Amino acid sequence: EAQVTQNPRYLITVTGKKLTVTCSQNMNHEYMSWYRQDPGLGLRQIYYSMNVEVTDKGDVPEGYKVSRKEKRNFPLILESPSPNQTSLYFCASSPGQGRQPQHFGDGTRLSIL
Amino acid sequence: AQTVTQSQPEMSVQEAETVTLSCTYDTSESDYYLFWYKQPPSRQMILVIRQEAYKQQNATENRFSVNFQKAAKSFSLKISDSQLGDAAMYFCAYKGNAGNMLTFGGGTRLMVKP
Repeated sequence: EAQVTQNPRYLITVTGKKLTVTCSQNMNHEYMSWYRQDPGLGLRQIYYSMNVEVTDKGDVPEGYKVSRKEKRNFPLILESPSPNQTSLYFCASSPGQGRQPQHFGDGTRLSIL
Repeated sequence: AQTVTQSQPEMSVQEAETVTLSCTYDTSESDYYLFWYKQPPSRQMILVIRQEAYKQQNATENRFSVNFQKAAKSFSLKISDSQLGDAAMYFCAYKGNAGNMLTFGGGTRLMVKP
């Protein structure tokens, strides 16, 4: 089954404790991205990757890191999480440019205390 | 930069009736793509319908259709014969022809009354 898998689905942690949210896709998609969803703001892109070892900033990259060492994986790293990073996070992938829609993971709810 | 605006934070509709959700966007590009995504309480992001800007014909998918007005930069979603399962957050999204970034509107919460 074609899917984007995120882990964990939920995480409560404390300020400053490094965390990683994993994302994996099994569709051999070149493009992957991370979004955060906040009430009234919709989804905003954090980082994206056009291919292995190619990453770039989206609209709200501050406080986040990503890596793309393999085509299927695109982890999101919060080196020193802060309460303003409490949000719902989505990973997405797509085969390329144009009309192809993005496939989303099921989301990760992060709470930073 | 592109912006997408959904001016209705909440909408309600009676079951079996029709509802229209509004979306406007701002862009200087001539070629782009527009999408409506549905997010039920399960949080999944489900593609409802998409429209290519170069196509004049409005996209339809069963009970879902769009009214795409390119000159007005408007992309509304019409849901006919509303069902209880249509209750969800709906997001309008824009994607330029070059690149893959989706720019989302703030969302509209649709409630369906039995």
